[in-house]
Amino acid sequence: EAGVTQFPSHSVIEKGQTVTLRCDPISGHDNLYWYRRVMGKEIKFLLHFVKESKQDESGMPNNRFLAERTGGTYSTLKVQPAELEDSGVYFCASSRDSNQPQHFGDGTRLSIL
Amino acid sequence: EDQVTQSPEALRLQEGESSSLNCSYTVSGLRGLFWYRQDPGKGPEFLFTLYSAGEEKEKERLKATLTKKESFLHITAPKPEDSATYLCAVQYSSGSARQLTFGSGTQLTVLP
Repeated sequence: EAGVTQFPSHSVIEKGQTVTLRCDPISGHDNLYWYRRVMGKEIKFLLHFVKESKQDESGMPNNRFLAERTGGTYSTLKVQPAELEDSGVYFCASSRDSNQPQHFGDGTRLSIL
Repeated sequence: EDQVTQSPEALRLQEGESSSLNCSYTVSGLRGLFWYRQDPGKGPEFLFTLYSAGEEKEKERLKATLTKKESFLHITAPKPEDSATYLCAVQYSSGSARQLTFGSGTQLTVLP
């Protein structure tokens, strides 16, 4: 089966611009998670979808970040406007149910100049 | 605050030299402890889930164990292809929360 797919793999934008990251979970996985690693630190949780509903968004850093999962399939994470501290690697993960292991994509490396 | 600490930060082994990686956690109400392997430029690759103290899981040269305060990832007779960063993550019982709390990882290098 195909794994979690993230697009783009790399994105370089200027401060103040908008960027949208996309994640396609493994087919049949209702649970979708966003994480990020910034400044070489640990991977940190951002939010969790169950189908199209936001189950937990306690890790979202501020209102410049907007995540959507319309139709309960793929998800997008929009950063608007981007700030320098948003640079890092954004990972998406999915699981069949919330008690199953989370499987990760290869991430989107975001650089804000 | 719930914390996950991994040690050592980096480990260099000769091929065939067995060793262990440590993951200690301070979370209360552990739901599960997960081990992942991460290669450069890739996402974390799932290895094991451990749910209760005393549990053990094995896969090829890797064996994961769990106590009430820590987990060990034992690597027996490692090969150069085992070189990677090994990540430990904890999922704790807190209502409907299912997020993973990650440690900073152990970067393993196995020399031929």
